[in-house]
Amino acid sequence: GPKVLQIPSHQIIDMGQMVTLNCDPVSNHLYFYWYKQILGQQMEFLVNFYNGKVMEKSKLFKDQFSVERPDGSYFTLKIQPTALEDSAVYFCASSLSDTQYFGPGTRLLVL
Amino acid sequence: GQQVQQSPASLVLQEGENAELQCNFSTSLNSMQWFYQRPGGSLVSLFYNPSGTKQSGRLTSTTVIKERRSSLHISSSQTTDSGTYLCATVGDNSKLIWGLGTSLVVNP
Repeated sequence: GPKVLQIPSHQIIDMGQMVTLNCDPVSNHLYFYWYKQILGQQMEFLVNFYNGKVMEKSKLFKDQFSVERPDGSYFTLKIQPTALEDSAVYFCASSLSDTQYFGPGTRLLVL
Repeated sequence: GQQVQQSPASLVLQEGENAELQCNFSTSLNSMQWFYQRPGGSLVSLFYNPSGTKQSGRLTSTTVIKERRSSLHISSSQTTDSGTYLCATVGDNSKLIWGLGTSLVVNP
């Protein structure tokens, strides 16, 4: 099936630092999403993005979070500054219309 | 807000047995997507099923909108089916609202 790539697969950083998570979505997809999964907990929606704009963001999408997709390249999630509670697996997804396809996730550990 | 309940929370089978996983919703169901989450964490989309029954190999998904439920049937389970099965309903702006998942272990 369609492949979504995420870079890096793992990231360990100190609290307060900035981190950028990169997503390479399926080439002809138009809708992009970030989800967050804390170990052992429910997957939760963070934000979705279409036509260069955020469509909706959840309460988990704090002011320290931002997303962009400059010039059709990677769809990125930036966290600045990071906090301990940001430690989680972040999944990127993309879709053309209905079915969302997911990347393998980036495991973020904030120390 | 919209809630998604999955049952059972966990299930242990002997290889060859069948499994029926359930997903129920507290509000109107727009559509349903079923995923398999590997032990390592990666997600595989199994079905996008807004209504009715869909089959893929040993997997069958049935969604009944008016009853606000969807099920995933696994026939003749194999050890490689072990992992977590997640259902998600499609909310506003196509965001997915997730259940907690069913953890499946298939023993040889």
